[in-house]
Amino acid sequence: QVTLRESGPALVKPTQTLTLTCTFSGFSLSTSGMCVSWIRQPPGKALEWLALIDWDDDKYYSTSLKTRLTISKDTSKNQVVLTMTNMDPVDTATYYCARIRLGGDYVGYYFDYWGQGTLVTVSS
Amino acid sequence: EIVMTQSPATLSVSPGERATLSCRASQSVSSNLAWYQQKPGQAPRLLIYGASIRATGIPARFSGSGSGTEFTLTISILQSEDFAVYYCQQYNNWPPLTFGGGTKVEIK
Repeated sequence: QVTLRESGPALVKPTQTLTLTCTFSGFSLSTSGMCVSWIRQPPGKALEWLALIDWDDDKYYSTSLKTRLTISKDTSKNQVVLTMTNMDPVDTATYYCARIRLGGDYVGYYFDYWGQGTLVTVSS
Repeated sequence: EIVMTQSPATLSVSPGERATLSCRASQSVSSNLAWYQQKPGQAPRLLIYGASIRATGIPARFSGSGSGTEFTLTISILQSEDFAVYYCQQYNNWPPLTFGGGTKVEIK
């Protein structure tokens, strides 16, 4: 059974750095084809992809946010960490982590399992 | 960056009717498109990938079609549990992976 769970602060101040942790089970990020991604959703708005890390430790970032984002993994702990620097009120959103599994009959970068999300509010 | 545009923004449909949702890509994404359903307070759920392949456990009333730049999600007979927001996502040309703005299917 695949599960993902996000954790981190519910409230951060402007200019602070946000650190979010995705703890997952039911798969390993050391297995070929496995990836974990972060996606966010401001209240009442659409989904926005942020970053992805794969089994080979390759990392990919949103074009507009790449200077502020860092994604990393701890395979032994089954965790993926996202840091976002210089937080602003416009970064207020629910942050999701989600899995991508490559392989089998069809290969594609779509999200088959999601965490429940964690709401992060940026306010002084 | 590939821009995904969904229409309409809101679709009012009666239970038992058919719903047709559209997604357009700013350039060809081949068949590398997924659809998700999101209910209030919940995470998105994968419905369709490869433009037309239903994900595990998804009822047959959900179907996807299209390729290139024009895609459609059809819900053949709307059930009460289908009222939600639906998003498309392309994964043909990335980074970035991009989502559409969503279509809300509401009860008429």
